[in-house]
Amino acid sequence: EPEVTQTPSHQVTQMGQEVILRCVPISNHLYFYWYRQILGQKVEFLVSFYNNEISEKSEIFDDQFSVERPDGSNFTLKIRSTKLEDSAMYFCAAVPGTGGYEQYFGPGTRLTVT
Amino acid sequence: GQQVMQIPQYQHVQEGEDFTTYCNSSTTLSNIQWYKQRPGGHPVFLIQLVKSGEVKKQKRLTFQFGEAKKNSSLHITATQTTDVGTYFCALVTGGGNKLTFGTGTQLKVEL
Repeated sequence: EPEVTQTPSHQVTQMGQEVILRCVPISNHLYFYWYRQILGQKVEFLVSFYNNEISEKSEIFDDQFSVERPDGSNFTLKIRSTKLEDSAMYFCAAVPGTGGYEQYFGPGTRLTVT
Repeated sequence: GQQVMQIPQYQHVQEGEDFTTYCNSSTTLSNIQWYKQRPGGHPVFLIQLVKSGEVKKQKRLTFQFGEAKKNSSLHITATQTTDVGTYFCALVTGGGNKLTFGTGTQLKVEL
């Protein structure tokens, strides 16, 4: 299984602070996604990213959120001013550029906002 | 946007019993994927169904796509403790092929 890694595994931050979550897909991945999962709930789509541009975003992905692929490798999700309700597990996912359709998820970053 | 409901929400079975989770939509689906999430883990792709009435098998797992492409099911024969986790169906939609997940069915297997 093509491996997607994420750092950090757990991030604790105070309300109002900025956080950056990082994802490192395999080099031949073309499509990238961020999802979040509030404890005990379903996985929710945040944003998709292709060819260095956002291709789609959900209503959750408001102005507090942004994504970048700054160096052609890492894929980051920034939350500018965290709120208590941002506490969740954040998953990065990627689709290989080999014609497959399954999404490979990273292990996730647990974000706790206090 | 399209939504899918999954039932049941929880299922406790004895090891060796069968298990089925159902995914239902009010609209016709172009495709459906199934993922498994172990406790504390991340979603792992299991299968994609595209054709009306399609049936696919993976060892003890059988996946079906309804004739009308409005529902899908995952059946596990003779559950094992390794089957523990939450099973999600998911729709692939939009130009970016995002996943819209169902509500999931949490499976617990007791010895």
